[in-house]
Amino acid sequence: SAVISQKPSRDICQRGTSLTIQCQVDSQVTMMFWYRQQPGQSLTLIATANQGSEATYESGFVIDKFPISRPNLTFSTLTVSNMSPEDSSIYLCSAAEGMNTEAFFGQGTRLTVV
Amino acid sequence: QQQVKQSPQSLIVQKGGIPIINCAYENTAFDYFPWYQQFPGKGPALLIAIRPDVSEKKEGRFTISFNKSAKQFSLHIMDSQPGDSATYFCAPRGGSNYKLTFGKGTLLTVNP
Repeated sequence: SAVISQKPSRDICQRGTSLTIQCQVDSQVTMMFWYRQQPGQSLTLIATANQGSEATYESGFVIDKFPISRPNLTFSTLTVSNMSPEDSSIYLCSAAEGMNTEAFFGQGTRLTVV
Repeated sequence: QQQVKQSPQSLIVQKGGIPIINCAYENTAFDYFPWYQQFPGKGPALLIAIRPDVSEKKEGRFTISFNKSAKQFSLHIMDSQPGDSATYFCAPRGGSNYKLTFGKGTLLTVNP
């Protein structure tokens, strides 16, 4: 399976600022996803990052708060904008080569907003 | 609507025991049934997955049992080891929906 590298692995940010998380896959993939996971909880899908088009957001998540870029088939970014302490969480990037293939995950970005 | 119900929430077994984790689903369009394993500080990793054309799949010490009529599938870990201590998620997918639907997770502790 492909390897996903996420940067940064963790960060502590001031409220009101923004953080951009990078996700790099070592092979070309069709599907890329961004998830949020509170410690000890399940994963919640934020959006699907589509190459060459706008991201598709899940209910409760909006582009203004979580803008996503997908410039090519190996890279995506998620920005957490105008952060508040409620945004403190683990953010995970996931990818799949196709719609019917295994999905694999990065190691996550642990974000703390103070 | 909770599409996926995973149980138990937590499980403690002794080394060598056989923990069983269950996942019940509602969406009959699901056609891919994976289990993910997640260690603290790491992303989930695919452990084993099954398609609905078979009722059981075994990979090493890990077995998936699938009951299509009951809309349930389970993970069995044979001869469990302390290194198996992790959180396990079922995450079925299928039909026109290519997205994984995660269960709430099961925290497994295997005592030495």
